[in-house]
Amino acid sequence: QKEVEQDPGPLSVPEGAIVSLNCTYSNSAFQYFMWYRQYSRKGPELLMYTYSSGNKEDGRFTAQVDKSSKYISLFIRDSQPSDSATYLCAMSVGNNRLAFGKGNQVVVIP
Amino acid sequence: DAGVIQSPRHEVTEMGQEVTLRCKPISGHNSLFWYRQTMMRGLELLIYFNNNVPIDDSGMPEDRFSAKMPNASFSTLKIQPSEPRDSAVYFCASRGDSSGANVLTFGAGSRLTVL
Repeated sequence: QKEVEQDPGPLSVPEGAIVSLNCTYSNSAFQYFMWYRQYSRKGPELLMYTYSSGNKEDGRFTAQVDKSSKYISLFIRDSQPSDSATYLCAMSVGNNRLAFGKGNQVVVIP
Repeated sequence: DAGVIQSPRHEVTEMGQEVTLRCKPISGHNSLFWYRQTMMRGLELLIYFNNNVPIDDSGMPEDRFSAKMPNASFSTLKIQPSEPRDSAVYFCASRGDSSGANVLTFGAGSRLTVL
């Protein structure tokens, strides 16, 4: 079983829709949970991070962590064409190695 | 701050040639990471340094790969000899101790094609 599972299938949504992304993981010791956004031909950039369980909101973006289910989610409300990118989940135990998911390509159609 | 700077941005070479990728981390960051990204395998950690010292190189695929960090502002990843299966985008990332939550800042990447 891979440490972090993220279905890499592309996701196309119309502008204004809610985008829902998720990852599952196997290591119950993970403490930090992050979402990185990667535009085409660019490096990943941190979008949001949470520590342990719970929700975190930043503008149109909401990150959720459910440690009991080993499941994390990212929601994008009122999606915009500028949100078109690949979204990667990542997690770690303290400052140890970050484990990344494979990424979800999201396309927001105007 | 100019962020993490990588060079070259693109490299096309022939099998058997030596490839050297370069990275300048963010000033003041004391951890540096080299990742490789492919469609099949996603982002894979190759090696990381803390205070210029290699801490974990378990992700380095084989002896053809080597990495150095001679000082706090420069690191290289070398592949010798290169093979077609090394074709990928190689990212360098850095992290400062004050970032707390294991937050990495990535460079724009070096896209390597080995023919």
